[in-house]
Amino acid sequence: DGGITQSPKYLFRKEGQNVTLSCEQNLNHDAMYWYRQDPGQGLRLIYYSQIVNDFQKGDIAEGYSVSREKKESFPLTVTSAQKNPTAFYLCASSIVIQHYEQYFGPGTRLTVT
Amino acid sequence: ELKVEQNPLFLSMQEGKNYTIYCNYSTTSDRLYWYRQDPGKSLESLFVLLSNGAVKQEGRLMASLDTKARLSTLHITAAVHDLSATYFCAVDGTSGSRLTFGEGTQLTVNP
Repeated sequence: DGGITQSPKYLFRKEGQNVTLSCEQNLNHDAMYWYRQDPGQGLRLIYYSQIVNDFQKGDIAEGYSVSREKKESFPLTVTSAQKNPTAFYLCASSIVIQHYEQYFGPGTRLTVT
Repeated sequence: ELKVEQNPLFLSMQEGKNYTIYCNYSTTSDRLYWYRQDPGKSLESLFVLLSNGAVKQEGRLMASLDTKARLSTLHITAAVHDLSATYFCAVDGTSGSRLTFGEGTQLTVNP
């Protein structure tokens, strides 16, 4: 089955620790995205990548880092510099041909205390 | 900067009634997407609208796009409880492959 997987589903960390969220897709999509969603809010774009070894900052990139070494993988690191990291993180991918419909993974809920 | 506004943000309606959610956007685009999100879950794609006048229907939901007015509507016909969710529209702007999402409309359908 083709799809996007994110792991773990729930993640708990102490303040001051870096944490890496996994995102893998087997849809052969070129573009991948990371969003943050806070309770009752919409989606805010953190980073996106249209091609391997290249990525762009979104609207709220500060305190986050990414890599895109393989087409199918786009991990997100939440660093200790992110002031309020507790949130629901969603990864998405799109095919980038004609239009950019995005397909979403199940999400990772990160809690930092 | 592309802005996408939805209204209403909260909608409580009775089963069997009809209602429309509106999505306005600020710059030229002819590609618009509707998504559904259940509480605590991820986003599910509902409709992809790719041209002016596009209309798509699935069950009790119908989406349309008017690119001249920069407006999309999501019409709900004879609502049922299972439609309770948050609905997002997203617009494909001019800056590459990224989408800009609206704030979401939280729909509650009451028996």
